[in-house]
Parts: sequence; structure tokens; C-alpha cells
Amino acid sequence: NAGVTQTPKFRILKIGQSMTLQCTQDMNHNYMYWYRQDPGMGLKLIYYSVGAGITDKGEVPNGYNVSRSTTEDFPLRLELAAPSQTSVYFCASSYGARSTDTQYFGPGTRLTVL
Amino acid sequence: GESVGLHLPTLSVQEGDNSIINCAYSNSASDYFIWYKQESGKGPQFIIDIRSNMDKRQGQRVTVLLNKTVKHLSLQIAATQPGDSAVYFCAENKNDYKLSFGAGTTVTVRA
Repeated sequence: NAGVTQTPKFRILKIGQSMTLQCTQDMNHNYMYWYRQDPGMGLKLIYYSVGAGITDKGEVPNGYNVSRSTTEDFPLRLELAAPSQTSVYFCASSYGARSTDTQYFGPGTRLTVL
Repeated sequence: GESVGLHLPTLSVQEGDNSIINCAYSNSASDYFIWYKQESGKGPQFIIDIRSNMDKRQGQRVTVLLNKTVKHLSLQIAATQPGDSAVYFCAENKNDYKLSFGAGTTVTVRA
């Protein structure tokens, strides 16, 4: 299993541009998550999904959108990039929502907005 | 507020010594605590977890201690190796998927 994969690894955007961060998992996990990690900080939850067709907001959803058309894929969309969205973005997945269902993380996408 | 935090942002350890990484939490309703390791350029990786009804749990070279009286969590790494150099995060949740992460401690292992 490849686990959780993310593309691209790095991206530089200009203010106002849009892009989609891709996330795919091959573990047949129901739950998927998007986090952002700012320098020297812990991860903050942006959006999550409990299954195909179902998504909900996390702690910091403003400026982002998600969709979940399949179990495997959970793309994150930035519509109008702003410098405040400069961060490292991590996708994660878990089998269930219990506290003991380990979340597995992808390698991250480093995004810079200039 | 309710948050999870780490006492020190950095820790330098001599190879072969034991490491102790500390974490304080403020939400007494949390019932599950997790330690993650994040190597440079990679995503967080699960190390070990502990439920709130336990005070100690051991894994391979790692031990997590939980002191609910003072809301304190620690990760002990025995015989620290160069491969242990990473950022270590504690996280907590209340029996659901919503993890709250601390800011992290960067561990550097000296040869």
C-alpha cells in the first residue's frame, strides 16, 4: 500500500490565483482530513469527510473548499489564494472516527503565496 | 482555553542517553492522548498512544506517562539514536476524530 499520497510537493502561487491540492489514500479508509501546519505550530484541521459525498468544516475552513466524490480522493481547493494561506498542508485518513482509530498522514504540500 | 502544549520547543540529547519530552494539556475532558513524530519533509507518524484510564504505556524504546492530576503527558525515548531526531507532537481528543495538536518539540541528537 502507498498509504496517503499528496500532490504537488511544492507550489508557489500569486495572490488571487487558485489551485487544487490532491490527496489519495489506498487503505479504504472512511475518514479523511485536511490540516495546515504553520511554522513552529501544531496542525489545525481545515475540513474533514466521513465518507464519499459527506464533508464538514474543521477549525479553520475559511478560504478553502473540499469535495469527496470517491472513497479514495479528497481534494482541497483554494479559490483566491492569500498570503495567510502560506503553509504546509497535510492530508490524513483513518478507518473510523473513534479516538483509537489512528490517523495516517501524507507527506505534505508546501504552499507559498506571494 | 483548551489546548495542548509542550513545555520546551527544543531538546538536544547525546546519542545513547534517554530523552524526555513533556506536554501539558488543559482540557480535563480529553480521554485519549497520542504522540506523533515528524521527520523533516514528512508527515506526522504515530508513535504511541494512551487512554485517560491509564498512567503508563510502553512501546519499543518509548514510554508514555500520563499524570491526570497535573494534566501532564510525557514521552520517554530510551537510548536515543540519530534517527530519533525529529519534531515530536502531543495530541489529544475526546473520543472522536478531532485531534488537538501542541506546537511540537524539536529533538536533536548529538553524536
